[in-house]
Amino acid sequence: EVQLVQSGAEVKKPGESLKISCKGSGYSFSSWWIGWVRQMPGKGLEWMGIIYPGDSDTRYSPSFQGQVTISADKSIRTAYLQWSSLTASDTAIYYCARPPEAAADGEGYFEYWGQGTLVTVSS
Amino acid sequence: SYELTQPPSVSVSPGQTARITCSGDALPKQHGSWYQQKPGQAPVLLIYKDSERPSGIPERFSGSSSGTTVTLTISGVQAEDEADYYCQSADSSGSYYVFGPGTKVTVL
Repeated sequence: EVQLVQSGAEVKKPGESLKISCKGSGYSFSSWWIGWVRQMPGKGLEWMGIIYPGDSDTRYSPSFQGQVTISADKSIRTAYLQWSSLTASDTAIYYCARPPEAAADGEGYFEYWGQGTLVTVSS
Repeated sequence: SYELTQPPSVSVSPGQTARITCSGDALPKQHGSWYQQKPGQAPVLLIYKDSERPSGIPERFSGSSSGTTVTLTISGVQAEDEADYYCQSADSSGSYYVFGPGTKVTVL
């Protein structure tokens, strides 16, 4: 069974850095893209980017390029989403997700989802 | 950057058919996907590659594509189908993906 387990909720101050994680199990972690999706309070889904843990090939949405960093450590089956300097507008739930088996290489739609990580940024 | 357009809301009576459209300039070239999200839950993939259904998704959910529009059809709507529905697709080059703004389906 494919499972994605995300790190717990975070409360941070503006200007602080943060790295949240997503651990995959039940499949060959290195062989499947993993993506990140943002959902701000009461708002819709936003596709942030995806990474291929096998070679760390990463693709970002233009809206998030330069704002966050997506990375992965295949040795511990974990993907990461990080910020160097948070702002209040980063307050959101962040989901990691994986495409279905039927997806072609690099396709960024998702069947398997983590439980979400709530990030709250407030002074 | 690329955008998809959906109606903000759709209302339907139980047992009737709901249709949600999603428009985007790159849809003739890129496949569309559909998700259902209920409050406090992660999204669920309903349709991918315009019309394919993942295992476990009820047959009453179907998808179609025509030109710059993809459509999600919910046949025989049930009360449990009340949720937000999002379409998703890629830009024309397939470099990145976007979600539509979402459609709230209300079962009357």
